[in-house]
Amino acid sequence: QQPVQSPQAVILREGEDAVINCSSSKALYSVHWYRQKHGEAPVFLMILLKGGEQKGHDKISASFNEKKQQSSLYLTASQLSYSGTYFCGTAMNYGGSQGNLIFGKGTKLSVKP
Amino acid sequence: EAQVTQNPRYLITVTGKKLTVTCSQNMNHEYMSWYRQDPGLGLRQIYYSMNVEVTDKGDVPEGYKVSRKEKRNFPLILESPSPNQTSLYFCAISRGRNQPQHFGDGTRLSIL
Repeated sequence: QQPVQSPQAVILREGEDAVINCSSSKALYSVHWYRQKHGEAPVFLMILLKGGEQKGHDKISASFNEKKQQSSLYLTASQLSYSGTYFCGTAMNYGGSQGNLIFGKGTKLSVKP
Repeated sequence: EAQVTQNPRYLITVTGKKLTVTCSQNMNHEYMSWYRQDPGLGLRQIYYSMNVEVTDKGDVPEGYKVSRKEKRNFPLILESPSPNQTSLYFCAISRGRNQPQHFGDGTRLSIL
């Protein structure tokens, strides 16, 4: 039931792009993305609520394909500050668990100068 | 600015000795949640609360209790802690399930 994130880890040079994927075996109602730097709490990036919805701010954007039950996070022209572990959280599309949010195991992103 | 205060931040204790980790918020948000984070396993939800007196189990509720008697507080109770509950714990708040969650700084528990 835990969403599957890929890749597990990625190393980039500054300025390179990356894509992090999040797939679920269950129908999704929403997908949440967070970034956690070492020794800190997770920080909210964005939430996607509708199938096909895309969002972005700065050079980080995301898409949500409801049919495929997956979301992708796009980081373009990466900066050193993008380093950290990225988590997707999924809320399922059935009424029983109204408040249950299930996170993936995370993708560790390292950006080198 | 949203503030989520967890206490204690660090605790080393022994098996079987009841403990409580407190979580309080300054935002009057309805939704509060507890997660545990273990290496390689990501964040796993323990319990959540949609409002006062409304709590529900997350994915890993065994061995934990919570209460939500007032809006600002959501304590996590370990009645009889065991070593497998050694972990980093986060409390989070938001306006609702599909709203941004703001996390506390975390509580690192070591149970010997």
